[in-house]
Order: sequence, then structure tokens, then C-alpha cells
Amino acid sequence: DQQVKQNSPSLSVQEGRISILNCDYTNSMFDYFLWYKKYPAEGPTFLISISSIKDKNEDGRFTVFLNKSAKHLSLHIVPSQPGDSAVYFCAASAPSAGGTSYGKLTFGQGTILTVHP
Amino acid sequence: DSGVTQTPKHLITATGQRVTLRCSPRSGDLSVYWYQQSLDQGLQFLIHYYNGEERAKGNILERFSAQQFPDLHSELNLSSLELGDSALYFCASSHIRNTIYFGEGSWLTVV
Repeated sequence: DQQVKQNSPSLSVQEGRISILNCDYTNSMFDYFLWYKKYPAEGPTFLISISSIKDKNEDGRFTVFLNKSAKHLSLHIVPSQPGDSAVYFCAASAPSAGGTSYGKLTFGQGTILTVHP
Repeated sequence: DSGVTQTPKHLITATGQRVTLRCSPRSGDLSVYWYQQSLDQGLQFLIHYYNGEERAKGNILERFSAQQFPDLHSELNLSSLELGDSALYFCASSHIRNTIYFGEGSWLTVV
């Protein structure tokens, strides 16, 4: 049972345009969501996060939107740059006993973003 | 550079052997997490330590164990290795909830 799903295995975008990466989740206990960028054989690089008490969080070119009722989140990258080409993972966490295991993340399968010059 | 250091970066070993992967968390981070990334399973949570104590377990095999030392570095021990244990093993650390940073990973190949 995949609790976090990224249904688009790949996305191709022209440089300067908007990239929209989508993620759906099924576990209503998730209350914190993160996006990571990853290159092959490297560690995931943290990009941006959002708590379930918010519906939007912005950091430079990156904006994450959360729709709790739809159990859906998206990452917008504007403007897209060729250096953004990588695999993007969304991840989610739920509260735990004692409130300290928030790093127990459930990851989606990733979306390969290619930004063409 | 995330500030999370993992060694070794690459390791090749034979089936049945035991290996130890090491992780130094970011300065000030009390939590260390271990993840496994294999081709067919994606990124899977293994175990979490907070200030030396085990806090949560994921899909970690009984042949695997971990510990976190007083200086907060952590080790993941993998024993009786099988071909299917070949994967990238990531360590992550955090201090507060919105800053969970991953290391570069240790690539384990079991032959």
C-alpha cells in the first residue's frame, strides 16, 4: 500500500516556464510534507516543506501548495532552469508518540524533471 | 553540502559477510535516521535514534542493527549479507521538524 504517490514518472519543461510536480497521499495522519531533489547516487537535497496547518509555503523559486481535503500537494518551480533537472521526491510524516519521530518519512516514487534550454 | 557525513561512500562485500556504515549528523542535531534506497523499493525508512535512544523502527531486517553513540554519530550494522541487501544507505539528521537533511549515502554492493 503506497501511502504517498507521485503518479507522473517524468515531466519535461522548457527553460523559463513553470514546472508543476504533483503528489497525492492517502494517510490522513500525515501532517508534515517535504520536497527533495535528488541526483543519481547522491543524497536527497531538502528543498521546501509545509505543515498541514498551512496551504502554501514559498521559498524563492519554489512554492509548495497543500490541499488537505484532496490529500494533494504540488511543487511549483518558477522560472524553471536547466539546473533544476533531477528527480523530485515528495515525502510525508505523521506525528509519533513523544513527537520526536518526525523524520520517519514516507517517500513517493519520484518524478524525473527535465528542463530544456 | 548537507553537513551529514557518511562513510564509506562505496563498499563491495561478499554474501554472508558483515559491514558497518557510519554517519556523523549535522552539528547540533540529536536525531539520526537511516534509510535504504533500492531499485525496486524506493526510499524506505529503517530506524530512528534520538540522543542515543532508539525511537522508531521501520522495515528494518533482524540482520540489521543500529546504534547512536554519546558523540551522536551513528552506525548501521548489516550482517549475514544477501545479494538483495545491495542498495544505497542514507543517513539523515534533524534538529527541528522542518530541517531533515540527508547525507550522500553509502553504496553497498553484495556479490
